[in-house]
Amino acid sequence: GDSVTQMEGPVTLSEEAFLTINCTYTATGYPSLFWYVQYPGEGLQLLLKATKADDKGSNKGFEATYRKETTSFHLEKGSVQVSDSAVYFCALREVRGGYQKVTFGTGTKLQVIP
Amino acid sequence: DVKVTQSSRYLVKRTGEKVFLECVQDMDHENMFWYRQDPGLGLRLIYFSYDVKMKEKGDIPEGYSVSREKKERFSLILESASTNQTSMYLCASRAAGSNYGYTFGSGTRLTVV
Repeated sequence: GDSVTQMEGPVTLSEEAFLTINCTYTATGYPSLFWYVQYPGEGLQLLLKATKADDKGSNKGFEATYRKETTSFHLEKGSVQVSDSAVYFCALREVRGGYQKVTFGTGTKLQVIP
Repeated sequence: DVKVTQSSRYLVKRTGEKVFLECVQDMDHENMFWYRQDPGLGLRLIYFSYDVKMKEKGDIPEGYSVSREKKERFSLILESASTNQTSMYLCASRAAGSNYGYTFGSGTRLTVV
């Protein structure tokens, strides 16, 4: 079945450091890929998405490129801020039996220190 | 903006109680979902609904049921709460056929004692 594998956290970075959170997936078809962010005490928010190979999703300084050849969708940001501290979830969406099914990774906690 | 509202942020219930978790969305979305979130396990789909009165089992439906009598409301029911159902419960919605992601509620942290 479909699966999403994220790097284990927590990831601790100093402010203005470069961020990479790795995400790889397995899927039988051509999924859409997403990154969600969960700030403390809140639900998940969609951060960015990509729907086909080589698409780049971007938002709030974060980027991720859909790499079909490596089945990856790594999240990057050039300069993190304390306010980026959150849990980040990678997810894929495929059609299964006429329904769209979303599979989430286990989440990666990011802590940014001043 | 789409808003998904979960009625309670925190709940404490006793083992064996019947528990109702309510979720309401205000943007006429057809699709609604219930997940539970546990450390190290990520989000796991309990049930989903693609329209009023429709429901489908997700990956972990055991011990749960749902109700979708109106389009805007999707209720999760724990028929007889158990301690292993202590978790964070997240409701989400999406417009049918949409290529966008989900809109999530803020979550309900349920503790069963």
